[in-house]
Amino acid sequence: DQQVKQNSPSLSVQEGRISILNCDYTNSMFDYFLWYKKYPAEGPTFLISISSIKDKNEDGRFTVFLNKSAKHLSLHIVPSQPGDSAVYFCAASEGGGADGLTFGKGTHLIIQP
Amino acid sequence: KAGVTQTPRYLIKTRGQQVTLSCSPISGHRSVSWYQQTPGQGLQFLFEYFSETQRNKGNFPGRFSGRQFSNSRSEMNVSTLELGDSALYLCASSLWTGSNSPLHFGNGTRLTVT
Repeated sequence: DQQVKQNSPSLSVQEGRISILNCDYTNSMFDYFLWYKKYPAEGPTFLISISSIKDKNEDGRFTVFLNKSAKHLSLHIVPSQPGDSAVYFCAASEGGGADGLTFGKGTHLIIQP
Repeated sequence: KAGVTQTPRYLIKTRGQQVTLSCSPISGHRSVSWYQQTPGQGLQFLFEYFSETQRNKGNFPGRFSGRQFSNSRSEMNVSTLELGDSALYLCASSLWTGSNSPLHFGNGTRLTVT
């Protein structure tokens, strides 16, 4: 049973446009959400996080939105740059992360020049 | 500051053998977590160590074990290897335990079981 789902295995966006990556979850006990970015042959890199008490968090070009009633979060990248081409993982935790992070299977973002 | 270092980068083992993977966390980080990444299952939590104590363990059989040393370095061991253990094993460190302390991942050890 997959508790964190990223339904789009890949996404292609033109450079300069907005990239929107989506993530759905089923466990209502999740209270902390994170996005990681992964380049080939490297480990994931932390991007941005959001607590369940918020509905939006911004960091430069990256904004995460959380809709608790829909159990949905999204990552917006504006404007998209070629270096953003990577696999993006959504992750969630409950109770302070005692059981580790639960990851989605990732979305491969391709930025077209 | 040096990042998380995992050794070796690649390993090829035979079914039934055992393997030990090593992880050196970022200096000052006290928590080390291990994750398994496979194409079918994605990233799955194996276990976390904090101050030499296993804090929690994911849904993996007892063949998977680990430990943490006083300098926060960690090792994980897989005994009686099976073909399905072929995966990328990622180690991550953080300052403290808990999800509010973001994980910093190493580049992983690619294990192939033949």
